[in-house]
Amino acid sequence: EPEVTQTPSHQVTQMGQEVILRCVPISNHLYFYWYRQILGQKVEFLVSFYNNEISEKSEIFDDQFSVERPDGSNFTLKIRSTKLEDSAMYFCASSEALAGATGELFFGEGSRLTVL
Amino acid sequence: AQSVSQHNHHVILSEAASLELGCNYSYGGTVNLFWYVQYPGQHLQLLLKYFSGDPLVKGIKGFEAEFIKSKFSFNLRKPSVQWSDTAEYFCAVNAKGNNRLAFGKGNQVVVIP
Repeated sequence: EPEVTQTPSHQVTQMGQEVILRCVPISNHLYFYWYRQILGQKVEFLVSFYNNEISEKSEIFDDQFSVERPDGSNFTLKIRSTKLEDSAMYFCASSEALAGATGELFFGEGSRLTVL
Repeated sequence: AQSVSQHNHHVILSEAASLELGCNYSYGGTVNLFWYVQYPGQHLQLLLKYFSGDPLVKGIKGFEAEFIKSKFSFNLRKPSVQWSDTAEYFCAVNAKGNNRLAFGKGNQVVVIP
């Protein structure tokens, strides 16, 4: 069964450092997403991406965050200068159709980011 | 914006017991509703979804959920749980035409053999 894969599974970084989280969505999917879950809190929407551009982003997704689809298979989330409060599990997801239509989101296993 | 509430964050029950997890959402318009499950060490997987039609939805592994529009609820049920149902269960909702899923805090369910 095709699946979304994420790397790294766990990253520890110092505050102020740049971090790139990588995702390989399911190959025929067109819509890509990042969500995050801070420990003990809800899974929160960060951003959706379609046709090589951001289609929607949340209030959390400020100028420190960026996304990119550099080579047609990877989908990356970059945090330019990490803060302590960026420590969370980051989930990548993809869907064949719009989530708001009939699109089912397929999630990766997550990348745990720890900022010290 | 839509929001989702799940109560009883930790649920412990014995095998063969019945399970019901509550989910309430707040949004005045038309919504899609989902239950996702995350087994230990695994990724979020779709358990079932409601878009339209019959408000009683059957999903995988014997789970079902009922959409009650008047109560803004989408409760998850399973008549007889197994040890393998130990997992975290998340209710999620999005407005029709909106890509953004809003999740509840999740229910950590532990089934004791």
